[in-house]
Amino acid sequence: KAGVTQTPRYLIKTRGQQVTLSCSPISGHRSVSWYQQTPGQGLQFLFEYFSETQRNKGNFPGRFSGRQFSNSRSEMNVSTLELGDSALYLCASSLGRGPDQPQHFGDGTRLSIL
Amino acid sequence: GENVEQHPSTLSVQEGDSAVIKCTYSDSASNYFPWYKQELGKGPQLIIDIRSNVGEKKDQRIAVTLNKTAKHFSLHITETQPEDSAVYFCAAFSGSARQLTFGSGTQLTVLP
Repeated sequence: KAGVTQTPRYLIKTRGQQVTLSCSPISGHRSVSWYQQTPGQGLQFLFEYFSETQRNKGNFPGRFSGRQFSNSRSEMNVSTLELGDSALYLCASSLGRGPDQPQHFGDGTRLSIL
Repeated sequence: GENVEQHPSTLSVQEGDSAVIKCTYSDSASNYFPWYKQELGKGPQLIIDIRSNVGEKKDQRIAVTLNKTAKHFSLHITETQPEDSAVYFCAAFSGSARQLTFGSGTQLTVLP
């Protein structure tokens, strides 16, 4: 069974640009959550999608947004990029709704802002 | 909101010895506590989890204990092997916030 797939693996952008990251969950998984990982702040929850609806959102500015499609694939968008947005962005999928279900992570997208 | 503290930040053990990582949480409504292992260049991998209605759970060389009264939980790895070397994260799910809050991670090094 294929795991969670995130594309692209690496991305370099400049300040002010926008970026879209993609996540394909494990087949049959309906919940997708996004996390930001940085050396300073660690792993922080961004948002969760289930059945194409955002179910919960972490403490991030409105520049961070996402969506989920009918096949459970999800995209995350960051607009007006700032230097502090440099991070590893991780996607996790689970069978049921909610981060209290066993979550399976992808290997992330490494975003660097110049 | 939930706050999860994890200790130690680094841990070195000899191959074959045991390793213990401890976490405390602040939200008494938290009811799900997973542990993740993250190797270099990879995403976190769920290795064991425990719910608040259970005090201990074991899976081969890995065990987790939970003390709800004291609001702390621990990961125990016995008979450590070099391939256990990685960063380990604890997390707590708060039913009120409905999100996972992670500890700051422990870099475990198993020396051959």
